[in-house]
Amino acid sequence: DTEVTQTPKHLVMGMTNKKSLKCEQHMGHRAMYWYKQKAKKPPELMFVYSYEKLSINESVPSRFSPECPNSSLLNLHLHALQPEDSALYLCASSPQPPWDINYEQYFGPGTRLTVT
Amino acid sequence: QKEVEQNSGPLSVPEGAIASLNCTYSDRGSQSFFWYRQYSGKSPELIMSIYSNGDKEDGRFTAQLNKASQYVSLLIRDSQPSDSATYLCAVNPPRDTGRRALTFGSGTRLQVQP
Repeated sequence: DTEVTQTPKHLVMGMTNKKSLKCEQHMGHRAMYWYKQKAKKPPELMFVYSYEKLSINESVPSRFSPECPNSSLLNLHLHALQPEDSALYLCASSPQPPWDINYEQYFGPGTRLTVT
Repeated sequence: QKEVEQNSGPLSVPEGAIASLNCTYSDRGSQSFFWYRQYSGKSPELIMSIYSNGDKEDGRFTAQLNKASQYVSLLIRDSQPSDSATYLCAVNPPRDTGRRALTFGSGTRLQVQP
């Protein structure tokens, strides 16, 4: 089973709201990722957690705040977003961190976020 | 030069034909290569991984890797309309580049005509 789950599927929020995206995997994977994807573009890496520690932050604005409560869960807290942050937010996981060779990364279904 | 390059397409093939999708990469020491399929509005789905030179077959899909020429390709035999999607090539860069995550190409849109 290579399932990564994400909630909610869709989210509409105002620029002053605070919301959270959730991601879960039960495959024993040790690395988890947040990506942002705009229409007709490839996924753009935001954060990488390896063994529950933040390993990569791709210079993401502080209005996005990741959290890894345990090895199975990954959250993305959202605050004071802008309309240009509207996108598909993808969570992914892999058995090993990305700097190990021969690993495979699996994506969740994504959360479609609209900021009004 | 982009790190991972793909023709954006659309690549149009008739049903039952072989679809050939190509990808080139710039980092010579890259060792892990992946193909993802993404339907419109959905998330990427891993369909093939390849790590060694040569061919790797899985059902109707064959991935081909040539590290000397720095290209990786995906062949889809007996193409079906349900194969119509964007195909993303992803490469794990070598450790000495300082990059520590997958690099994606911009994707090739495949259209299979019934």
